Amino acid sequence: AQSVTQLDSQVPVFEEAPVELRCNYSSSVSVYLFWYMQYPNQGLQLLLKYLSGSTLVKGINGFEAEFNKSQTSFHLRKPSVHISDTAEYFCAVSVSEDMRFGAGTRLTVKP
Amino acid sequence: NAGVTQTPKFRILKIGQSMTLQCAQDMNHNYMYWYRQDPGMGLKLIYYSVGAGITDKGEVPNGYNVSRSTTEDFPLRLELAAPSQTSVYFCASSQTNEQFFGPGTRLTVL
Repeated sequence: AQSVTQLDSQVPVFEEAPVELRCNYSSSVSVYLFWYMQYPNQGLQLLLKYLSGSTLVKGINGFEAEFNKSQTSFHLRKPSVHISDTAEYFCAVSVSEDMRFGAGTRLTVKP
Repeated sequence: NAGVTQTPKFRILKIGQSMTLQCAQDMNHNYMYWYRQDPGMGLKLIYYSVGAGITDKGEVPNGYNVSRSTTEDFPLRLELAAPSQTSVYFCASSQTNEQFFGPGTRLTVL
């Protein structure tokens, strides 16, 4: 089955600085890739998704991610973070209806 | 649209008790899912359904049962609650590739 590894459990960053959250996946077949964010005690919100086509995917709130098939990666980036970006971020990979999530990266934006 | 709704928001169970977590969606989605999220972990798929009358096991189905008699509802049943089932449970639905999540049910088994 497919799997996801998020390489950083916590990422602290100052406000207005750039950030990259790293995600690697493993699968023997073609996959779809997703990034979700989660505020404390809330459900997950989709930031962006890669299904096919252009490897650079733009999402909501200024986030973007790049699909790299050779490195099996799907890293999330934002050029300038805000305090409101403080949240848990999950990378997910799906094959058909079976979606697997990474353990999450806690992004903390400091003033 | 209310989207995906879950009840209850919180519940405390004693070991061996049973309960049903309710999930409903009003988006006419064919696909519905149940996940659990343990502290510091990502979500793990318990069961999913591709339409009314059709369900299938996910990654961690043991100790749970589901049914899908209508498109809108996808209840999750715990028959004999165990401390290992203490978790936050999320229901989701989708029509294509994007899953929409409910707010979660926080369950504690003591």
